[in-house]
Amino acid sequence: DAKTTQPPSMDCAEGRAANLPCNHSTISGNEYVYWYRQIHSQGPQYIIHGLKNNETNEMASLIITEDRKSSTLILPHATLRDTAVYYCIVRPEAAGNKLTFGGGTRVLVKP
Amino acid sequence: GAVVSQHPSRVICKSGTSVKIECRSLDFQATTMFWYRQFPKQSLMLMATSNEGSKATYEQGVEKDKFLINHASLTLSTLTVTSAHPEDSSFYICSAPNWETQYFGPGTRLLVL
Repeated sequence: DAKTTQPPSMDCAEGRAANLPCNHSTISGNEYVYWYRQIHSQGPQYIIHGLKNNETNEMASLIITEDRKSSTLILPHATLRDTAVYYCIVRPEAAGNKLTFGGGTRVLVKP
Repeated sequence: GAVVSQHPSRVICKSGTSVKIECRSLDFQATTMFWYRQFPKQSLMLMATSNEGSKATYEQGVEKDKFLINHASLTLSTLTVTSAHPEDSSFYICSAPNWETQYFGPGTRLLVL
């Protein structure tokens, strides 16, 4: 599976948009980009995923560059409850394939 | 989204005893489930892939005789930590795939005294 690179930490202001970058320059054509987050002492929570097109759901938006070598997760209006570690993962299409977690980005939303 | 549960949520045991952790997919079936371990301030590390009706596949460095996995049905996988030692104290998390996405359980915190 392709490796991802994320900044180790970032702060953002409550009510503002949070933009979380992820680099996946070795991504293959059949690999999806997945985002999960882990709030302290809980299991990871699925946020969003995409292949080529930008995606949006009730939690976030995912912007994937045209060359697919990087992506950005956007939390449109960050709240204190969005404080968590955010993981960007790439993996082949089949859901049965295992996920490999990197270090993620520790996001602290401040009032 | 799909729901995965784990039981117990936390367990304390004495060194040398065995502990069983259950992972259930509540509203979907899963022929495959995954077990992860997470130490404090670290990321999740995949331990093994649980396969319904066949043997589990273990990641390199994970002792299969110490971490017994049984995928008893399409909704249940169990992880048994045998002869637990203090270094096995960790946060154990399972996941199960449903359609294109994997869903995670809430985790089980194991403390071995």
